[in-house]
Amino acid sequence: KAGVTQTPRYLIKTRGQQVTLSCSPISGHRSVSWYQQTPGQGLQFLFEYFSETQRNKGNFPGRFSGRQFSNSRSEMNVSTLELGDSALYLCASSSNSGTGNGYTFGSGTRLTVV
Amino acid sequence: AQSVTQLGSHVSVSEGALVLLRCNYSSSVPPYLFWYVQYPNQGLQLLLKYTTGATLVKGINGFEAEFKKSETSFHLTKPSAHMSDAAEYFCAVTPYNQGGKLIFGQGTELSVKP
Repeated sequence: KAGVTQTPRYLIKTRGQQVTLSCSPISGHRSVSWYQQTPGQGLQFLFEYFSETQRNKGNFPGRFSGRQFSNSRSEMNVSTLELGDSALYLCASSSNSGTGNGYTFGSGTRLTVV
Repeated sequence: AQSVTQLGSHVSVSEGALVLLRCNYSSSVPPYLFWYVQYPNQGLQLLLKYTTGATLVKGINGFEAEFKKSETSFHLTKPSAHMSDAAEYFCAVTPYNQGGKLIFGQGTELSVKP
């Protein structure tokens, strides 16, 4: 059974640009969550999608957005990149939302903003 | 707001010694509780979870954790450390009314000395 796939693995962008990250969940999983991991702030929740609807949102500016497609694949977009957006972005999927099933994480996309 | 506290950002043990990683959460209602492990340049792997039922939870790789409601704790233990256990460990909670959202502790880096 394939795991959670995130693409690309590494990305270098310039300040002011925008970026789109992709996440393919485990087959059959309908819940996809996104997290930002930095040395200073640790792991922070960005948002969660379930059946194409955003169910929860963290405390991030509107520059961070996401969406989920009918096949459960998800994308997150960051516009007007800032140096502080450099981080490891992790995607996680689960078969349901809010049932404590636990989440399976992908290997992440490491974004560097220069 | 709910929070998770991991006592000790770095723990060092000798190979074969007991591993004890501490986690306390703030909540008046028992949430779902998780322990994840992260190896360098990888995503998070679920070690174990507590949802309901038995308060002593066994996970992968010989790890276990005990949910103590009176102490709002969920400490992770392993009787005998192995070199391959060296990694970063994260405790996380999912609040009942915010399914799909994981709140993480700051992480504990475990070193294992030969």
